[in-house]
Formats: sequence, structure tokens, C-alpha cells
Amino acid sequence: EAQVTQNPRYLITVTGKKLTVTCSQNMNHEYMSWYRQDPGLGLRQIYYSMNVEVTDKGDVPEGYKVSRKEKRNFPLILESPSPNQTSLYFCASSSILEVEQFFGPGTRLTVL
Amino acid sequence: LAKTTQPISMDSYEGQEVNITCSHNNIATNDYITWYQQFPSQGPRFIIQGYKTKVTNEVASLFIPADRKSSTLSLPRVSLSDTAVYYCLVGSYNNNDMRFGAGTRLTVKP
Repeated sequence: EAQVTQNPRYLITVTGKKLTVTCSQNMNHEYMSWYRQDPGLGLRQIYYSMNVEVTDKGDVPEGYKVSRKEKRNFPLILESPSPNQTSLYFCASSSILEVEQFFGPGTRLTVL
Repeated sequence: LAKTTQPISMDSYEGQEVNITCSHNNIATNDYITWYQQFPSQGPRFIIQGYKTKVTNEVASLFIPADRKSSTLSLPRVSLSDTAVYYCLVGSYNNNDMRFGAGTRLTVKP
């Protein structure tokens, strides 16, 4: 089954404790991206990647890091999480030949 | 910056046809129009895309006038399960220039 998976689905952590949210897709998509969704603000893009070893900032990259060492994986790293990063996070992927993006199930992160 | 403008919310009743219009005055020649549906706590799901005129699939229709400065998503005979947020996006195959706005929150009532 074609899908985008994210782990963990739920995470509660404390300020300053480094964490990684994994994202993996099995559709051989070139493009992958991370979004955060907050009430009233819609989905905002954090980082995106057009292919392996190619990443770029989205609209709200501060406090986040990403890497794209393999085509299927695009982890989101929070080196020192803060409470304002409490949010619902979505990973997405698509083929560069299509406009349709496939979204993961989401990761709900709470930073205390 | 979002390139699109949609109503913040709409109400409808079961069995009615719902039309959600999106304004995109600055659409570029190579841009496509794409609509997504999102249920609470789930990722957005692709509904339909189009470039001009009319596109129809098993879920919805998309009407695009000749000037392409707006588009209308049409949902036939909605049910309670169509209650969701609907997003209109414009952009090219180079996906990094596509932005989600606030979307339109559709509430279908019995």
C-alpha cells in the first residue's frame, strides 16, 4: 500500500530535550516536506526537499533541522524543543511530475 | 504567502450541492489548481486538480473560468461525512511554491 508513515504519532517531551520525528514514504517520491498545523493558522511549511541531499527552508524553519540521506526518509529534528513548538506535524511527499501531495497521519507534539 | 482567497466557513445540509469558490488573481501560466480535504487530526487528502474548464471525478467537480482567476469546487449531494476543511492551492509541479491557506470549514447539517 502506497503510504507516508510518521513516528511517533504522539509525543510529550520537555523543553530542551532533543527529539526526532521520522517520516518515510514507499512511493519513490522525489519531493518531501514537513508542515506544522496550529489552530487558526492552517498548515505552514517548515522544510522541504526536492531530492536526496537537497533541502530548503519553508516558511517557518526556525528551531528545526532536516536531513535527506535516503530518498524514502525525511526526518524532522528538534535540537532543543520549546513550548512554542507544540503543534501537529505532517510529513508529505509527491512526485515532481505531479502536483498531488500525499500526507502522513500526523504527529502531535507537546513540549512542556 | 498564500496565493488564494477562500471563504472561512460555509454551512450546508445533507443532500445539497455545495460550491466553494477560491480566488487566485495572480495565477501563473504554468500553475495548476488543486483542492484538498482535511478531517480533524488527519493529514490533508487530495480531491481534485485542474488547469482550465471543467474537471470531474468520482468525488467532486472543479470549474475554472477562461481567465483562471478563480475556481469553484463543487460537491454534489453532501453528507455529514463531508464536514471538513477544504483547501485551494495553486502552483506548478515545482511543489515548493504551493501554500496552504486557512481553508474553508464546511459544516454539513442533518
